[in-house]
Amino acid sequence: QQPVQSPQAVILREGEDAVINCSSSKALYSVHWYRQKHGEAPVFLMILLKGGEQKGHEKISASFNEKKQQSSLYLTASQLSYSGTYFCGTEVDNYGQNFVFGPGTRLSVLP
Amino acid sequence: EAGVVQSPRYKIIEKKQPVAFWCNPISGHNTLYWYRQNLGQGPELLIRYENEEAVDDSQLPKDRFSAERLKGVDSTLKIQPAELGDSAVYLCASSLQIFPRQTYEQYFGPGTRLTVT
Repeated sequence: QQPVQSPQAVILREGEDAVINCSSSKALYSVHWYRQKHGEAPVFLMILLKGGEQKGHEKISASFNEKKQQSSLYLTASQLSYSGTYFCGTEVDNYGQNFVFGPGTRLSVLP
Repeated sequence: EAGVVQSPRYKIIEKKQPVAFWCNPISGHNTLYWYRQNLGQGPELLIRYENEEAVDDSQLPKDRFSAERLKGVDSTLKIQPAELGDSAVYLCASSLQIFPRQTYEQYFGPGTRLTVT
């Protein structure tokens, strides 16, 4: 079953922060985050595993609330290069079955 | 290191015609995925291979779609006959899964944009 992402779209000014949420009705094993720029392939950002720690690099980090089956992606002091569509992908077990991407959140960062 | 290679990049065909897409994954990656992405939506998994075995093809429309991954390296996805609704971007991705399995990042190719007229 496809995870739900919110918001569907967000517009920011450079330097502002954003949070993108991903939630599932099923118990999750992992959550993946990818960014896709227009006309390009999705690019991996990070994976969060059940029982794992919050992940992050530079100004992009994420958390995974196993009890609520929710993950959030945090974009701090956004840059123009952060513009794109962000997808979460979820797995319910560690056998790779039922990997499903969410519908995406379109982020636009304006100067 | 070369990335995932896909060809062709663009394909325009008439409905009822056959079409094939080719993917060469990153060298050494044992897992290969085919996705279909419609405009404004997330990628939809069609089939996943671990080496040469299709381990998840539950979303593959088997009446018209077929795929193969001979020798566990490159892969071909075929549609025959194509329908108007098949117009989409077909993405190939690969990853290196180390067993006992955890979960690993997927590396995507540039995709093939299919237009069925």
